[in-house]
Amino acid sequence: AQRVTQPEKLLSVFKGAPVELKCNYSYSGSPELFWYVQYSRQRLQLLLRHISRESIKGFTADLNKGETSFHLKKPFAQEEDSAMYYCALSNNAGNMLTFGGGTRLMVKP
Amino acid sequence: EAGVAQSPRYKIIEKRQSVAFWCNPISGHATLYWYQQILGQGPKLLIQFQNNGVVDDSQLPKDRFSAERLKGVDSTLKIQPAKLEDSAVYLCASSLQLRLETQYFGPGTRLLVL
Repeated sequence: AQRVTQPEKLLSVFKGAPVELKCNYSYSGSPELFWYVQYSRQRLQLLLRHISRESIKGFTADLNKGETSFHLKKPFAQEEDSAMYYCALSNNAGNMLTFGGGTRLMVKP
Repeated sequence: EAGVAQSPRYKIIEKRQSVAFWCNPISGHATLYWYQQILGQGPKLLIQFQNNGVVDDSQLPKDRFSAERLKGVDSTLKIQPAKLEDSAVYLCASSLQLRLETQYFGPGTRLLVL
């Protein structure tokens, strides 16, 4: 069975502070990990995927298979980063996404 | 390019009633997904289609939920009869193909069962 855990329901930081949104997973195979984001009054959308190894809006995430983690990081938070963030895992077939419970990031001015 | 469309946006029904949701995916997207998102939780996959065939419906409560995608484009999700615990946002998503493709989500239908 695959499982994704986001231990923090809410993360509040000040503008310019570093941000780390935690994600841990449980999966017996080789996982594919994603971060999805939902801004206020907008649709859920893909932020980044680990196979792309890219930085989107200043966010990066590194897959750590030893610690079974895929934490999302940004060195300097901006107010527009305030949103709900969901970590998700895909199975070997690449067709079933399992989402974590989400973390609400609030960036204060 | 138009996004995934869903209707209705909101629905309030009483328990034991029936309800149906409609989804129109992005043109050309072969794969369609239905998710249930209960308040305070992440989306949970209910069913996914590849064209008009079901790929996975292992988490669909088949005693009351049904879904179809007869012509491989639009899809409907039905609940009959509804229970209080079905109150949730129902999200539809689509992707070009099956494997590791970005999923594009619709705005969701918020269902309240009284």
